[in-house]
Amino acid sequence: AQSVTQLGSHVSVSEGALVLLRCNYSSSVPPYLFWYVQYPNQGLQLLLKYTSAATLVKGINGFEAEFKKSETSFHLTKPSAHMSDAAEYFCAVSEGLRLTGGGNKLTFGTGTQLKVEL
Amino acid sequence: NAGVTQTPKFQVLKTGQSMTLQCAQDMNHEYMSWYRQDPGMGLRLIHYSVGAGITDQGEVPNGYNVSRSTTEDFPLRLLSAAPSQTSVYFCASRRAGANVLTFGAGSRLTVL
Repeated sequence: AQSVTQLGSHVSVSEGALVLLRCNYSSSVPPYLFWYVQYPNQGLQLLLKYTSAATLVKGINGFEAEFKKSETSFHLTKPSAHMSDAAEYFCAVSEGLRLTGGGNKLTFGTGTQLKVEL
Repeated sequence: NAGVTQTPKFQVLKTGQSMTLQCAQDMNHEYMSWYRQDPGMGLRLIHYSVGAGITDQGEVPNGYNVSRSTTEDFPLRLLSAAPSQTSVYFCASRRAGANVLTFGAGSRLTVL
């Protein structure tokens, strides 16, 4: 069974500081990994995804994540936080080979609320 | 391009009442699904469909029914609402062979 653990339900950074949101996964097969962002009162939007190509994945709005198999991690980073980055961030995993078969069984983490302070 | 449209955005029910959350997508996506979002629990899959006429249960299906009579629509029915079903519900879809979900804006349901 697949699972995702997001360390820290709330993270607070200063504007201009490094953003680091942690995600560890468990999967019995090579995983597909995703980061989604949710702005207040909106649905989820895809930030970036890893699907077994390059281990360093670049996404929208300056975010990137690195897949580290040895650490079973997929941490999300951004060099310099902006006020507009304040949102909730979800890490998600799917067992990639099965995603194209019997349904979109994406398992989400519990989310990390990012606060950006002046 | 509307994407995934959910209605209503907000709903208040009394315990025991029934209602249907509507979800429609105009992208001709084969896969559609319903998630519920609760504080501290992330998103949990309720039901999903891989095409018209085909549905299956997700992680938390109890108390919910779905049907998929057309490619575009995937309604979620609560037959007898309970306070434990107070949540934000998201519909999501993707095309076959893709690995990225497109989400609707959500429906906030309160059961008193």
